[in-house]
Amino acid sequence: SYVLTQQPSVSVAPGQTARITCGGDNIGSKSVHWYQQRPGQAPVLVVYGDSDRPPGIPERFSGSNSGNTATLTITRVEDGDEADYSCQVWDGSTDQGVVFGGGTKLTVL
Amino acid sequence: QITLKESGPTLVKPTQTLTLTCTFSGFSHTTSAVGVGWFRQPPGKALEWLALLSGDDDKRYRPSLKTRLTVTKDTSKNQVVLTMTNTDPVDTAAYYCAHRCSSTRCSVTDAFDVWGQGIMVTVTS
Repeated sequence: SYVLTQQPSVSVAPGQTARITCGGDNIGSKSVHWYQQRPGQAPVLVVYGDSDRPPGIPERFSGSNSGNTATLTITRVEDGDEADYSCQVWDGSTDQGVVFGGGTKLTVL
Repeated sequence: QITLKESGPTLVKPTQTLTLTCTFSGFSHTTSAVGVGWFRQPPGKALEWLALLSGDDDKRYRPSLKTRLTVTKDTSKNQVVLTMTNTDPVDTAAYYCAHRCSSTRCSVTDAFDVWGQGIMVTVTS
């Protein structure tokens, strides 16, 4: 089965840059999507197709994907960015379908 | 504007069948390019995909739950229904449905771009 591995937590001070990684076997060959989820709320798509932003998502959110690691980068971090962030791919090779990482808790210090 | 909303029981007894309905608006669920996915998230745990139903009635299920899940659609009512049989306390979770479009004509492709608010389901005797 295809596994996506994320750091359990990342902490940054306001105004700094947060980098959240998602590891997977040759993940660079897949399309990676990132979701933000605040406590008690539904997920919100913040990056799709490795590096595209949906309408309404600030330019502070960006993504990259190469080799075995995809990265979500949040620049000029704000208090409101504190949330869980999960990566997601579609795994057609093993017929697993939609696969999520375990999520990373971003704490703004 | 696309919206989705989950509805159904919030309390279910073990071994019972859970039926959840996703009622949506703002899109047509009639082509292979448009899909509605179901997900769940146990308290304090990661998101988990359950099923995906495309508008052409193609169905995909989480392999480990395939024998317990059924997803169907009622196009006239703009609804997608998820049925889970033989529930267990480990099925206690927030359940979500979400929209997905895989056409290049969509503003967002392949990702689940709009989610319902979710419904918390507790399985307990």
